[in-house]
Amino acid sequence: SQQGEEDPQALSIQEGENATMNCSYKTSINNLQWYRQNSGRGLVHLILIRSNEREKHSGRLRVTLDTSKKSSSLLITASRAADTASYFCATDVGGGSNYKLTFGKGTLLTVNP
Amino acid sequence: DAGVIQSPRHEVTEMGQEVTLRCKPISGHNSLFWYRQTMMRGLELLIYFNNNVPIDDSGMPEDRFSAKMPNASFSTLKIQPSEPRDSAVYFCASTPVGGPANVLTFGAGSRLTVL
Repeated sequence: SQQGEEDPQALSIQEGENATMNCSYKTSINNLQWYRQNSGRGLVHLILIRSNEREKHSGRLRVTLDTSKKSSSLLITASRAADTASYFCATDVGGGSNYKLTFGKGTLLTVNP
Repeated sequence: DAGVIQSPRHEVTEMGQEVTLRCKPISGHNSLFWYRQTMMRGLELLIYFNNNVPIDDSGMPEDRFSAKMPNASFSTLKIQPSEPRDSAVYFCASTPVGGPANVLTFGAGSRLTVL
């Protein structure tokens, strides 16, 4: 079963607008990560937020984490056509050598020029 | 560094044939992961290795699937015999054990089509 699930499944916006994607998960986590996947390519790590953090920024990206609601959001500000991609949240529930990074099914973001 | 290198990028085969996918992780990364991506099921973790040792293969769907890591710079995922439902994109990813909270670097993937 999926640990993380993104919402919405698809999002279409105009260049310059902000894009917000949400992720909900089921069990306690060590950290939560967001990845991006361009069509036909592998996933690329964007940002990581630890379970004891509430907000994190990286360039035009802002991630929030609410462990009480088991949810996270990814905000992309001032979107560009090049931001068109699928975005995945991934939850790390492992510890020590027991690794478990589980991905959701992703949000397909389309930024129209 | 050239990143995680996977081969072949595309494979088309007929049902019943053996398929071998290959992966070269980033030098110095001693954890390696195989994922499968389909529209229906998303990204599924098949198996991962730490220091060439398989740690968790609970995601391997059937005995038809096997994975090996004979050394720190090479891993294979084998499907024998292949079936149409194995059609998917297979990703290899690596990370250094004890690195920044298991941030993965993915290869470009191997797209498998079984006819």
